[in-house]
Amino acid sequence: SQQGEEDPQALSIQEGENATMNCSYKTSINNLQWYRQNSGRGLVHLILIRSNEREKHSGRLRVTLDTSKKSSSLLITASRAADTASYFCATQPWAGTASKLTFGTGTRLQVTL
Amino acid sequence: KAGVTQTPRYLIKTRGQQVTLSCSPISGHRSVSWYQQTPGQGLQFLFEYFSETQRNKGNFPGRFSGRQFSNSRSEMNVSTLELGDSALYLCASSEGTGGPVRETQYFGPGTRLLVL
Repeated sequence: SQQGEEDPQALSIQEGENATMNCSYKTSINNLQWYRQNSGRGLVHLILIRSNEREKHSGRLRVTLDTSKKSSSLLITASRAADTASYFCATQPWAGTASKLTFGTGTRLQVTL
Repeated sequence: KAGVTQTPRYLIKTRGQQVTLSCSPISGHRSVSWYQQTPGQGLQFLFEYFSETQRNKGNFPGRFSGRQFSNSRSEMNVSTLELGDSALYLCASSEGTGGPVRETQYFGPGTRLLVL
């Protein structure tokens, strides 16, 4: 079963605009990670945020985490056509084991020229 | 370092057959996890192997099994294939020993299995 939902399910923006996608989860977590997937291929790790962190940046990516609301958001600034992909959040439930990521339903992002 | 590799990339089988998929992790990574991705169920965890031992298991029937070799390479096997087993099977590797960098999982390109 999946941990939670992501919204929106699909997002279409123009190049240069910012894209925000949200993720909600159900149980307590050790960390939350965001992945990108292009056209049904493998997943590319974008960023990891620990449960004791509230915000993290990596290049054009900004992730926030609110453990009280069990939610996270991913902001991609100044989007490019190459950012077109599906984005998934994934939670890891406890420390000590690197596995058993539970994924959200994903957001399909389309960036047009 | 070379990334995670999976073979074969595409596979067509018929119902009732069995299939074996292979995954070679990033050099030095001891943990290999398997995930199934379908349009209906999304990404679901199958199992994880660490140092040749199954460390975690998802909610899949016993037809799904796996193993890990001493060089950390892993195989998963699906017996008595059903139409619903058609999916993208993804393998991920990590150092597996905890810590924020080590907790990051690196995914392979996947094996797309079609069951007819």
